[in-house]
Amino acid sequence: LAKTTQPISMDSYEGQEVNITCSHNNIATNDYITWYQQFPSQGPRFIIQGYKTKVTNEVASLFIPADRKSSTLSLPRVSLSDTAVYYCLVGASYNTDKLIFGTGTRLQVFP
Amino acid sequence: DTGVSQDPRHKITKRGQNVTFRCDPISEHNRLYWYRQTLGQGPEFLTYFQNEAQLEKSRLLSDRFSAERPKGSFSTLEIQRTEQGDSAMYLCASSIRFDAVNEQFFGPGTRLTVL
Repeated sequence: LAKTTQPISMDSYEGQEVNITCSHNNIATNDYITWYQQFPSQGPRFIIQGYKTKVTNEVASLFIPADRKSSTLSLPRVSLSDTAVYYCLVGASYNTDKLIFGTGTRLQVFP
Repeated sequence: DTGVSQDPRHKITKRGQNVTFRCDPISEHNRLYWYRQTLGQGPEFLTYFQNEAQLEKSRLLSDRFSAERPKGSFSTLEIQRTEQGDSAMYLCASSIRFDAVNEQFFGPGTRLTVL
C-alpha cells in the first residue's frame, strides 16, 4: 500500500478554511484516497473518499491533482468541534480490506 | 443506537491474566475488523472477518491473541497471558461493501491497561 506523508499538526481559528495536504508519491493506478477523522477516546470516522479531481460532501472537499501524487482535504469554516486527528489513507478500495493509518494530522481549532 | 458497540469500554488487568473483548457490528454488515491503537499513533490492523471466516491476520497478532466471529455476528478478541505492551485501545469496525467505497464504521474502543 502507498505510504502517505502529512503534517503532524496544524492550528486554525474558528470560521477559517483549513486545508490539509497529504503526499502519496507511490500511489498506484487502482488506489483510492480516503480521509478519516478521529476525536479523542473515539474510533475513527470516515470523512471522504476520492480517486481523481474533486469530491465534495456535506462535511468536506477532497482535491486531487491530475498526477494523484498528493491530495488536499478542505474543511470549510471550521469550528471548535473540528479539533481532531485527520488521517489520509491510500489503497485499492475494491480489494483492500484493512486500513493502513499513519500518524495523522492533529488539527487544533482555537476560538 | 445502531452503531458498532464494544464491551467493556475499559479493562484493567494484571500481567499474565487473560482478557476478552466483545464487538457487536452494525447488524447488516458482513465484514468485521479489529485494530489496535497506542497513544499518539494511528490504528494498526490486527485481523478481519467476512461473515464467520477470518480472512487475514496481521503479524501483530501473536499466538497469544485469538479472534472469533461465531455465526458471523458479534466477535470476540481474547488476549492470553497479557503483557504490559498489550496496553492499548482495541478498536472494532464493521463494513458492507458497495462499489468501491470501503467505509468502515468504528466502535468506541476498549481501552486495556495491563499493570
